[in-house]
Amino acid sequence: DIQMTQSPSSLSASVGDRVTITCQASQDINTYLNWYQQKPGKAPKFLIYDASNLETGVPSRFSGSGSGTDFTFTISSLQPEDIATYFCQHMTTFGGGTKVEIK
Amino acid sequence: QVQLVESGGGVVQPGRSLRLSCVASGFTFSIYGMHWVRQAPGKGQEWVAFIWYDGTNEYYSDSVEGRFTISRDNSKNTLYLEMNSLRAEDTGIYYCARDPAIGTGGTFYFDYWGQGTLVTVSS
Repeated sequence: DIQMTQSPSSLSASVGDRVTITCQASQDINTYLNWYQQKPGKAPKFLIYDASNLETGVPSRFSGSGSGTDFTFTISSLQPEDIATYFCQHMTTFGGGTKVEIK
Repeated sequence: QVQLVESGGGVVQPGRSLRLSCVASGFTFSIYGMHWVRQAPGKGQEWVAFIWYDGTNEYYSDSVEGRFTISRDNSKNTLYLEMNSLRAEDTGIYYCARDPAIGTGGTFYFDYWGQGTLVTVSS
């Protein structure tokens, strides 16, 4: 089974900072990697599919990149409303999540 | 707008059964595959089961195979998860989620999720 290793598990950054989260697959998954946002008590939200494609309506400060085994999720300028847990996903496997907080 | 609302969670003793429901609205339920995904306390998400748009095929994670059954009633826009022989490790929030593929087997992407229903297995 493919394993997804996400890091860091949490981070604290200031408003306006660039935030980067990584997700590593245990084997080559091409670009079949998705990213989600989950705010406390809310349903997860689909943000990025196939490593780098933004879902409709997702702000352009969110981006994704990577292929093969190494992937990156970036928030170019952290906003207060971005406080959430972000997680990656490939098929039936999810990353452990990254909790993003404001410093 | 797409809405998925889960219900049926609660506290149940080990070995007992529970049935979860997920009512869909805002889209044509009968042409989309649907998933159940769960999240144990303090853990990441775990995929549980998937059912084709027409109910003809089902897939399960190894951890629930033989104990859980996913089903759907397209006339009621409702997805179900029948959970039998429950164990403490089944405790968590259970989400239903839509697969964006139309009229085929799933992509295993999850484009809409419900807010979840909490299942606690404890004596």
